[in-house]
Amino acid sequence: AQTVTQSQPEMSVQEAETVTLSCTYDTSESNYYLFWYKQPPSRQMILVIRQEAYKQQNATENRFSVNFQKAAKSFSLKISDSQLGDTAMYFCAFMKHKGGSEKLVFGKGTKLTVNP
Amino acid sequence: EAQVTQNPRYLITVTGKKLTVTCSQNMNHEYMSWYRQDPGLGLRQIYYSMNVEVTDKGDVPEGYKVSRKEKRNFPLILESPSPNQTSLYFCASSAGLSNQPQHFGDGTRLSIL
Repeated sequence: AQTVTQSQPEMSVQEAETVTLSCTYDTSESNYYLFWYKQPPSRQMILVIRQEAYKQQNATENRFSVNFQKAAKSFSLKISDSQLGDTAMYFCAFMKHKGGSEKLVFGKGTKLTVNP
Repeated sequence: EAQVTQNPRYLITVTGKKLTVTCSQNMNHEYMSWYRQDPGLGLRQIYYSMNVEVTDKGDVPEGYKVSRKEKRNFPLILESPSPNQTSLYFCASSAGLSNQPQHFGDGTRLSIL
C-alpha cells in the first residue's frame, strides 16, 4: 500500500521569504501522480500543484514549485515570496496512474503560518 | 460554474439517528468519492464510485453506506451514527482520468453526540 509522510507538523515563515515543505512517499508503482493541496481556514481543498512521475521536469505554478526526486521518493513544495494568504494546512497526496479507484492517499498535513 | 455541492455544511446530531450527507456535481464526472478528515490523520477515503451503480470501499468504510443512482449524486449515509464518526467530510469528483484533478466540495462538519 502507498503511504505519504509529511514530517513537519507545523512551520512558520516571514512574509516575503521562502519556505519548503517536505513530503516523502512509499510505493512500488512506477507511474503515478503527486499533488500538493492547500486547505485555508475556510476548509476548502485547493489544488496547488501536480507532478506526473514520468516527467522529470519539476512542476511550477507561479510562486509554487516542487522538487521531485523520484529515486528518493521525495516531493517537496517550495513557496517563494510567501504571502499572508498562504497561511493554511498543506497536504501532500499520491495517486496511482492507472484508472480505477482514483484514490488520493494523503499525508497528515503541515500547518504553515506566514507571519507579517 | 463547475462545482461539487455538499449539504449540510454543519450538523450536530445524536448517536443512532440516521443521517444522509448529500453530494452533487455539475461536471458530468464519472468518478466520485468520500473522504473524512481527522486531526493528525489527514484525509482518508471512505467509499468511491466509478460510475452509476458502481461503488466500492475505500480505506475506512465501516459504519457508512453510499449509493450512486444518478451520475451527478453520491450521498453518504450513516445508518446508526456513533461519536467516532465525528469528523470533517469531503466529497470529490473527477473525470476518471488520472491526469485530471479532483474537485472537492466545501466539506461537511459532523458532530455525533
